[in-house]
Amino acid sequence: AQKITQTQPGMFVQEKEAVTLDCTYDTSDQSYGLFWYKQPSSGEMIFLIYQGSYDEQNATEGRYSLNFQKARKSANLVISASQLGDSAMYFCAMRGGGGKLIFGQGTELSVKP
Amino acid sequence: DTGVSQDPRHKITKRGQNVTFRCDPISEHNRLYWYRQTLGQGPEFLTYFQNEAQLEKSRLLSDRFSAERPKGSFSTLEIQRTEQGDSAMYLCASSFARAFTDTQYFGPGTRLTVL
Repeated sequence: AQKITQTQPGMFVQEKEAVTLDCTYDTSDQSYGLFWYKQPSSGEMIFLIYQGSYDEQNATEGRYSLNFQKARKSANLVISASQLGDSAMYFCAMRGGGGKLIFGQGTELSVKP
Repeated sequence: DTGVSQDPRHKITKRGQNVTFRCDPISEHNRLYWYRQTLGQGPEFLTYFQNEAQLEKSRLLSDRFSAERPKGSFSTLEIQRTEQGDSAMYLCASSFARAFTDTQYFGPGTRLTVL
């Protein structure tokens, strides 16, 4: 069965510093996709970044980058130059059969001024 | 391009009542997904459609739940005889399926409270 594990329930980071949110996954599929979403207190899930299992380069989107280590089955999200507006829940997800997403428990990030 | 919209945003109902939620996907998207999210948890898959065909339903989707996407555009999720355990955020997402890289974009969700 496919599974996503996020072991950090909560994280604090100082404004303008970088932060890494951990995500490990378990799957027996050779081809899979990994996603990160941000969920502010308003509730909407906002897509941040995608990494395909066959992508040789780590994905980057502006201040977001994904540290993909296939052998270790990890897909950590790195946010550079944290901003106050980055305070939110962050979810790692894997595409399962049929395209549905399997989510982790989430990490609550708090950015301190 | 407008995003995914959901209506209503909030719904308070009494136990035993029926409720219906609506989701309007991004216009060119052919896939539509429903998820449920309880407090402190990640979203859990309920069901999904490709065009008007419902292709998969989770075991979480009891007989009291039904979803439709009659013309391959908007979708409705109905819960009959609501129970307090149905209280959750119901999220809708849509995507354009192509190969393996379709990204799901979520709506703002419908927060259901069952009293």
